[in-house]
Amino acid sequence: QIQLVQSGAEMKKTGASVKISCKTSGYTFAHYLIHWVRQAPGQSLEWMGWINSANGNTLFSQTFQGRLTITRDTSASTAYLELNSLRSEDTAVYYCARFVRQQLVPWGQGSLVTVSS
Amino acid sequence: NFMLTQPHSVSESPGKTVIISCTRSSGSIADNYVQWYQQRPGNAPTPVIYEYNLRPSGVPDRFSGSIDSSSNSASLTISGLETEDEADYYCQSSDNSDRWVFGGGTKLTVL
Repeated sequence: QIQLVQSGAEMKKTGASVKISCKTSGYTFAHYLIHWVRQAPGQSLEWMGWINSANGNTLFSQTFQGRLTITRDTSASTAYLELNSLRSEDTAVYYCARFVRQQLVPWGQGSLVTVSS
Repeated sequence: NFMLTQPHSVSESPGKTVIISCTRSSGSIADNYVQWYQQRPGNAPTPVIYEYNLRPSGVPDRFSGSIDSSSNSASLTISGLETEDEADYYCQSSDNSDRWVFGGGTKLTVL
């Protein structure tokens, strides 16, 4: 079946960077965009951006412009999110999800990133 | 960018119908598809409505979506409420540059 499996929880210091992986299986990786969405504790979902798995093109929320990088490794069917200059407000669960006809389905299990000084 | 505003919470009894609204602050609600996601505690969201009013396979027909251009809003209607419908619901849409926005979420309590 189609699965997106994300890397584990991370604890980072303020100002550091974090890189999260999203390994996909069960479908042709290059055929679908991967989106990234985060959710701070008790808060709403926040869209971060997407990557075109075929050609690597990306689009980011302006909220993260300059701090966010999304890449992919087609040979590994894996997408990556890297967020720099971390601050406490970046503490959240980060999700990757496959984009299919306007929907995000399925989603990864989420990766908790905790940022503290 | 625009915002999508949802009620913070709604509650209703089993068997009843509930409507969750999602109002777009700028730009027309009809210009970009609206999707709805259900999120149960501790789980990732799953779609329940896409492209305004279509249901993914496996979603019961108790779930329906609509838009109202006069109020620039979308609505998720859940009829015949069941206790398993208790969850957070998020609307989502995009701008013409394909940048996405999620609503603030609505906590549905079935009591």
